[in-house]
Amino acid sequence: IAGITQAPTSQILAAGRRMTLRCTQDMRHNAMYWYRQDLGLGLRLIHYSNTAGTTGKGEVPDGYSVSRANTDDFPLTLASAVPSQTSVYFCASSESADGAMSYTFGSGTRLTVV
Amino acid sequence: GQNIDQPTEMTATEGAIVQINCTYQTSGFNGLFWYQQHAGEAPTFLSYNVLDGLEEKGRFSSFLSRSKGYSYLLLKELQMKDSASYLCAVTDSNYQLIWGAGTKLIIKP
Repeated sequence: IAGITQAPTSQILAAGRRMTLRCTQDMRHNAMYWYRQDLGLGLRLIHYSNTAGTTGKGEVPDGYSVSRANTDDFPLTLASAVPSQTSVYFCASSESADGAMSYTFGSGTRLTVV
Repeated sequence: GQNIDQPTEMTATEGAIVQINCTYQTSGFNGLFWYQQHAGEAPTFLSYNVLDGLEEKGRFSSFLSRSKGYSYLLLKELQMKDSASYLCAVTDSNYQLIWGAGTKLIIKP
């Protein structure tokens, strides 16, 4: 089934540890995104990639990094986790970055930093 | 700043009609999306409006007025499975998607 796969589904992480959230899509979409979703707040963009080989910073990029070595994969790395990074993380993709194409979301990663 | 406003929570009765409003103030406008998100799940696409007017898709319709910075999502013949959060999102002049916090819709029998 075409779509986006995120891993892990959930994780409890000790503060200060490094963690990579994985995201893979098989739809050959050009644009990919990482969001965090916290209770009472809208989806907040962390980083994005309009096409393979390029990345950009979103609204809340501090403490996170991404890479886009190929079309399919867009991993998100927390270099040194802090409790404020406890959240649900969604990876999404769209055919293009022109803002007119709907997003397909992965099922999310629930991260707890203790 | 950029802002999207939606009611936090709404309650409706099974079989009834409900209208969820969204007002926006963004730097430019290149389209408005509605997504549905069931608890613990990912958002899924419902509708896209870029021109003024009503777009109908089965039991769901979405309306846009660009001059008023206003949209609504209309759900007819409500079913229990429609209990979810409904997210409004606007594409701004930089083609970035700005998200509202979502409206939690509770359906009662």
